[in-house]
Amino acid sequence: EDKVVQSPLSLVVHEGDTVTLNCSYEVTNFRSLLWYKQEKKAPTFLFMLTSSGIEKKSGRLSSILDKKELFSILNITATQTGDSAIYLCAVANFGNEKLTFGTGTRLTIIP
Amino acid sequence: NAGVMQNPRHLVRRRGQEARLRCSPMKGHSHVYWYRQLPEEGLKFMVYLQKENIIDESGMPKERFSAEFPKEGPSILRIQQVVRGDSAAYFCASSPPEEYEQYFGPGTRLTVT
Repeated sequence: EDKVVQSPLSLVVHEGDTVTLNCSYEVTNFRSLLWYKQEKKAPTFLFMLTSSGIEKKSGRLSSILDKKELFSILNITATQTGDSAIYLCAVANFGNEKLTFGTGTRLTIIP
Repeated sequence: NAGVMQNPRHLVRRRGQEARLRCSPMKGHSHVYWYRQLPEEGLKFMVYLQKENIIDESGMPKERFSAEFPKEGPSILRIQQVVRGDSAAYFCASSPPEEYEQYFGPGTRLTVT
């Protein structure tokens, strides 16, 4: 069965700090890894990664995938209170369309 | 381009009643997915549909749950004879053909009393 593990489960930092969120996976026939941000409602798409070593960047957020070691990290620099959310990692396989999610990292930014 | 729409946002049902959850995908998206999120748990896949076809229902309970995505109109997730354990947030996502990014709606929070 496909498995996605995120760490830490929760993280509390001060505004301005840099954080690194981790996602490791065990899946058959890996196709892609996706990061989402979930506040009170819909998970919002952040990144999709398919190739190792290529960093994806959007503003203060960046992410990279290591297909050999089967993990990804999500970095957020100069954190702001608006970054407080649950960050979800999900993986997809070739051969089916469903996403398998981890339980998320709850990030809290203290002003 | 409006995002994925779900309604209702909140639904309260008594045990034994039926719940109908609706999802309108983003314009141009022909693939719809339903996920369930229990409190303090991650999102769990339920079913994947294309227009008039169920492609993968491996995550959906065999009894009481059904889903459809008709040629016209929204996708419907139907739960018959609801029980307290069905209380959860139900999210719909959509994606365009040949692409893998799934975009989520705001969810329907179902409470069974």
